[in-house]
Amino acid sequence: EADIYQTPRYLVIGTGKKITLECSQTMGHDKMYWYQQDPGMELHLIHYSYGVNSTEKGDLSSESTVSRIRTEHFPLTLESARPSHTSQYLCASTWGTGWSPLHFGNGTRLTVT
Amino acid sequence: AQTVTQSQPEMSVQEAETVTLSCTYDTSESNYYLFWYKQPPSRQMILVIRQEAYKQQNATENRFSVNFQKAAKSFSLKISDSQLGDTAMYFCACADTNAGKSTFGDGTTLTVKP
Repeated sequence: EADIYQTPRYLVIGTGKKITLECSQTMGHDKMYWYQQDPGMELHLIHYSYGVNSTEKGDLSSESTVSRIRTEHFPLTLESARPSHTSQYLCASTWGTGWSPLHFGNGTRLTVT
Repeated sequence: AQTVTQSQPEMSVQEAETVTLSCTYDTSESNYYLFWYKQPPSRQMILVIRQEAYKQQNATENRFSVNFQKAAKSFSLKISDSQLGDTAMYFCACADTNAGKSTFGDGTTLTVKP
């Protein structure tokens, strides 16, 4: 049973549209992450947050932006979607030190036409 | 910086048999954590097993166990008595101690055959 929720699950949009991928968790975790995953491929960290009003860019450069106004909510926004943004986006959360595992959402599969 | 390498893109095993998935890593951290995650087809990624780098004893979770060789920077996953539900993509990951940022390998797609 998921305690971290991503919406929408699937999204097909046209080039140039602004989109926001939603991620919410009910576990009170302070740390949240966005990973990008191409089909059958490794996960690349694109954004992370250690708490409210704290956001950092990850290892993979991304044109997306994130915000963390509330502990439980970590949305990702693309101002102008392009076909190169087509991918699966996974949200994850955890707490404490590195010993705590990541809890993942079901992912949003984005297709930009 | 951390790197994680999984050299087996795909593997298959007969039901009830044992399979080992390989993982090597590199990190500049003196202490770190290692994980195996499982991603079933179209389903949520979940934790399989984890290991603290400063602990020499290999972690075990029911049918899942690891072979942690710190000097060789190797962290393989052994699945005993494989079940059809073990069919999934398996990711090896290394996390630092501070923020829990994890670096993932390319993944190994495991198919358990009846």
